[in-house]
Amino acid sequence: RKEVEQDPGPFNVPEGATVAFNCTYSNSASQSFFWYRQDCRKEPKLLMSVYSSGNEDGRFTAQLNRASQYISLLIRDSKLSDSATYLCVVNKHSGNTPLVFGKGTRLSVIA
Amino acid sequence: NAGVTQTPKFQVLKTGQSMTLQCAQDMNHNSMYWYRQDPGMGLRLIYYSASEGTTDKGEVPNGYNVSRLNKREFSLRLESAAPSQTSVYFCASTGLTDTQYFGPGTRLTVL
Repeated sequence: RKEVEQDPGPFNVPEGATVAFNCTYSNSASQSFFWYRQDCRKEPKLLMSVYSSGNEDGRFTAQLNRASQYISLLIRDSKLSDSATYLCVVNKHSGNTPLVFGKGTRLSVIA
Repeated sequence: NAGVTQTPKFQVLKTGQSMTLQCAQDMNHNSMYWYRQDPGMGLRLIYYSASEGTTDKGEVPNGYNVSRLNKREFSLRLESAAPSQTSVYFCASTGLTDTQYFGPGTRLTVL
């Protein structure tokens, strides 16, 4: 099983739609979870951290299911500007160890 | 704060030439990383430095060397460039919270 696995997409959705991405991770000892956004030919940027109780930031909601080892990202009322690749990121365990990045899910929001 | 800076932004090399990619961060982060990103491959860790004075190999270290010059700077050296090293190179740093911040990248072409 890959350390972090995501559906590569692309997800093509109309403006205003709700879209959800899932990500699974293999290491049950992982402690930190993130969603990053990467625009074409740009560096990845933190979208949001994912907390055990779930968390929301505007139109974005992240959930963590430790028992099933998956993380989700829900985007409501999609905007054209949401078009990007979304990277699921997990740490192997606590401390100064490298994060593990998924290959990303590509989203295209269409007018 | 400039965050993470990288130089150069673009570089074209001939096979066999050497070069050093520079990275600096002004966030007082302990950990720094070098990644490469190729189409369809996601981010792959080349080397990382968990703290000043230490470096460790990542997933794809062959053909590269690194130097953690001080807490701020982490350089990546290609001793004898090969066409397979054509890629986009990202430097990143991490503070206490595991959140990783990326530089804008260096686009390297080896002919």
